[in-house]
Amino acid sequence: DSGVTQTPKHLITATGQRVTLRCSPRSGDLSVYWYQQSLDQGLQFLIQYYNGEERAKGNILERFSAQQFPDLHSELNLSSLELGDSALYFCASSVAEASNDYTFGSGTRLTVV
Amino acid sequence: AQSVAQPEDQVNVAEGNPLTVKCTYSVSGNPYLFWYVQYPNRGLQFLLKYITGDNLVKGSYGFEAEFNKSQTSFHLKKPSALVSDSALYFCAVRENGNNRLAFGKGNQVVVIP
Repeated sequence: DSGVTQTPKHLITATGQRVTLRCSPRSGDLSVYWYQQSLDQGLQFLIQYYNGEERAKGNILERFSAQQFPDLHSELNLSSLELGDSALYFCASSVAEASNDYTFGSGTRLTVV
Repeated sequence: AQSVAQPEDQVNVAEGNPLTVKCTYSVSGNPYLFWYVQYPNRGLQFLLKYITGDNLVKGSYGFEAEFNKSQTSFHLKKPSALVSDSALYFCAVRENGNNRLAFGKGNQVVVIP
């Protein structure tokens, strides 16, 4: 157990639907990062939050949004889902805003049918 | 912009032979370099990192990597591969002033008994 908890582990949903992925960072970590892993794109950075505020944005679609709550857990919302959104979504956490110590969760596997 | 290249899709090696997984990077300024391993249906596990200091970095499970500034490389090595080393290996880089990691596309390592 890495200390970063992601739920659910697996999610199957239909096109056009909306889902929410949840991440609880390791105790004491203030930064949360979201990554998408797909076969064709590899590991792509989506977005980072630090202590509740958005800090960096990557290749995140407008249909996707995220937030970090006061208890530091984060949620990634994916809407108007398409088949191409099927991927493994990872959350990572770190203590600082810019860090060299990251801890990754085990991911949420999203399948859009 | 920071980026990483892992030129080989798959590396096949016989058990007991040396294992090398190649990585080259591109950053502005000094790089922070990382190697992660991913086993099937698991998250990313940290192997080692180079921040500063000795160019030869030793990490988990007998792995090591050598930072070569002139060749902008950070190849991962293990003197004697085990079947259990079969997994997907990712090289990543972070440049100073940037909050997130940029990953290579990953190398599938297959250790043949």
